[in-house]
Amino acid sequence: DQQVKQNSPSLSVQEGRISILNCDYTNSMFDYFLWYKKYPAEGPTFLISISSIKDKNEDGRFTVFLNKSAKHLSLHIVPSQPGDSAVYFCAAHGGSQGNLIFGKGTKLSVKP
Amino acid sequence: DTEVTQTPKHLVMGMTNKKSLKCEQHMGHRAMYWYKQKAKKPPELMFVYSYEKLSINESVPSRFSPECPNSSLLNLHLHALQPEDSALYLCASSPTPDLRELDYNEQFFGPGTRLTVL
Repeated sequence: DQQVKQNSPSLSVQEGRISILNCDYTNSMFDYFLWYKKYPAEGPTFLISISSIKDKNEDGRFTVFLNKSAKHLSLHIVPSQPGDSAVYFCAAHGGSQGNLIFGKGTKLSVKP
Repeated sequence: DTEVTQTPKHLVMGMTNKKSLKCEQHMGHRAMYWYKQKAKKPPELMFVYSYEKLSINESVPSRFSPECPNSSLLNLHLHALQPEDSALYLCASSPTPDLRELDYNEQFFGPGTRLTVL
């Protein structure tokens, strides 16, 4: 049973437009969420995180929104660039031992 | 030095071989992790070392044996693997195990070792 769900396996966006990647979770004990970006043949690279005490965190072109009541978070990339094309993983952390639970990922393609 | 390094990048081994994967970080991180990632799947946690002690073993078969010789090094010893163990093995580290303790406390991942078991 998936505790972290990314229901869109892929997303295609035009350069300059907004990319919105969604993530849902089922475990209300999760209290810290992270987004990672992964290129083929590389390890995941950390992008941005959000604690459950916040509903928004922004870093440059990347903004993460958290709706605790809906157990939903989203990553907004504005403006999208071709170099953003990668697989994006949502991950949740719910304990003191650092174990992250990853969603299946969404492959983002940004077209010039 | 702000990266996690992993060696080798690629490894091909037979089912009777014994091999080891190595992971190293010099960021002073006190938590280190092994993940396994199959094609088109998310990374799955295998082991967590917290302050050089094994704190989580996610029911991993004993043919995988982790070792943390010191705070900068993490090894994964492999013996009698099966072809279905072929995957990308990722190492990660974080300043502390509890990611909520600090701001900007995330897991940094290495590039992975692509393992093929024949």
